Amino acid sequence: GAVVSQHPSRVICKSGTSVKIECRSLDFQATTMFWYRQFPKQSLMLMATSNEGSKATYEQGVEKDKFLINHASLTLSTLTVTSAHPEDSSFYICSALTSGVSYEQYFGPGTRLTVT
Amino acid sequence: RKEVEQDPGPFNVPEGATVAFNCTYSNSASQSFFWYRQDCRKEPKLLMSVYSSGNEDGRFTAQLNRASQYISLLIRDSKLSDSATYLCVVNWDAGGTSYGKLTFGQGTILTVHP
Repeated sequence: GAVVSQHPSRVICKSGTSVKIECRSLDFQATTMFWYRQFPKQSLMLMATSNEGSKATYEQGVEKDKFLINHASLTLSTLTVTSAHPEDSSFYICSALTSGVSYEQYFGPGTRLTVT
Repeated sequence: RKEVEQDPGPFNVPEGATVAFNCTYSNSASQSFFWYRQDCRKEPKLLMSVYSSGNEDGRFTAQLNRASQYISLLIRDSKLSDSATYLCVVNWDAGGTSYGKLTFGQGTILTVHP
């Protein structure tokens, strides 16, 4: 299957700082990538849709000024958590959409963010 | 009502058992259906797409009933390595920015024991 990488895999930061997470599609081009967040014992919740060359589309309740998304190329999307707070601590996962008939998405390995 | 609903389990079964998971979805316009598995503290991995005619991949069989808005996954001859959370996932394309968006169920936990 298609390969998606994320970096870093784990990050610990202090309250008030910003953290950037990268999502790369390694062996295919992805016009569309998605960012999810998963809290313990809960399912994935879509945060935003990242489209190459245009502004991201955010889900209801997700602050676009806090979670900055940039999709500057067909293989890279970044999520920046600005002014992080402890409640932002979560597992952040990106996915990339392959071209085809059935919207198959492949997920990155996730980034575990801990804000102290 | 949740958009995609699953029995959270957990299901505890012995090796070799057959286990079935069910899932219902609320949006009748849903177009694509999947089962993903997620291991603890890992990302979801696509297990199989679900087609209207039903489909099988080795020990795994998926069924879709559009009239009832119901999806199932059957695992035969369970292995220890099947222990994971199984996620029912649905897509409906409302066009524009909804293209490709997936909605996840809360997952069903399976533990296969010796």
